Amino acid sequence: GESVGLHLPTLSVQEGDNSIINCAYSNSASDYFIWYKQESGKGPQFIIDIRSNMDKRQGQRVTVLLNKTVKHLSLQIAATQPGDSAVYFCAERGFGNEKLTFGTGTRLTIIP
Amino acid sequence: DGGITQSPKYLFRKEGQNVTLSCEQNLNHDAMYWYRQDPGQGLRLIYYSQIVNDFQKGDIAEGYSVSREKKESFPLTVTSAQKNPTAFYLCASSILTGFEKLFFGSGTQLSVL
Repeated sequence: GESVGLHLPTLSVQEGDNSIINCAYSNSASDYFIWYKQESGKGPQFIIDIRSNMDKRQGQRVTVLLNKTVKHLSLQIAATQPGDSAVYFCAERGFGNEKLTFGTGTRLTIIP
Repeated sequence: DGGITQSPKYLFRKEGQNVTLSCEQNLNHDAMYWYRQDPGQGLRLIYYSQIVNDFQKGDIAEGYSVSREKKESFPLTVTSAQKNPTAFYLCASSILTGFEKLFFGSGTQLSVL
């Protein structure tokens, strides 16, 4: 999962396997969550978002799972490809806060 | 081809100098944002604007200024009061206010000479 500090958590996955990236959030009142992918030297790219009234949402090759009981969010990427190598980070929006709080990210490396 | 354009990609600042980072969007989005990214850290909000001629401070607004004279433009000035300006600056926009589904530009790397 994500953490604060200079060293990003890393995850290495064999090409073609599924990967799961985890994110723990702190605010039980958060009502919206979003995942981004960021390649080196580029801006974050939107992947998928989910509201707190849902526990699962699927996109193309990606699934986001939300467990409000333990304040945990995960991003599943199916059949990983070399182009999936990047830093992935989650963000949460506190209810009534109107601002996103970003995690520090997880570096995903796809092994050919 | 719609999107968010940030320029320049790289920018160098001398001591005591103000520099301005450009952000333009042709997505017809109402809200625009500026974030700062430091290595290994999450994005931190500098300023945001939900409508033309209005903007609010984010969590780290000191040493920065913005303007929103046009819907498509939201330039950020890094002033000499910002003592640690070296960072990757990201501009974003969203169709609605409320910090949902932000779309980011490609960023500007600012360094101090």
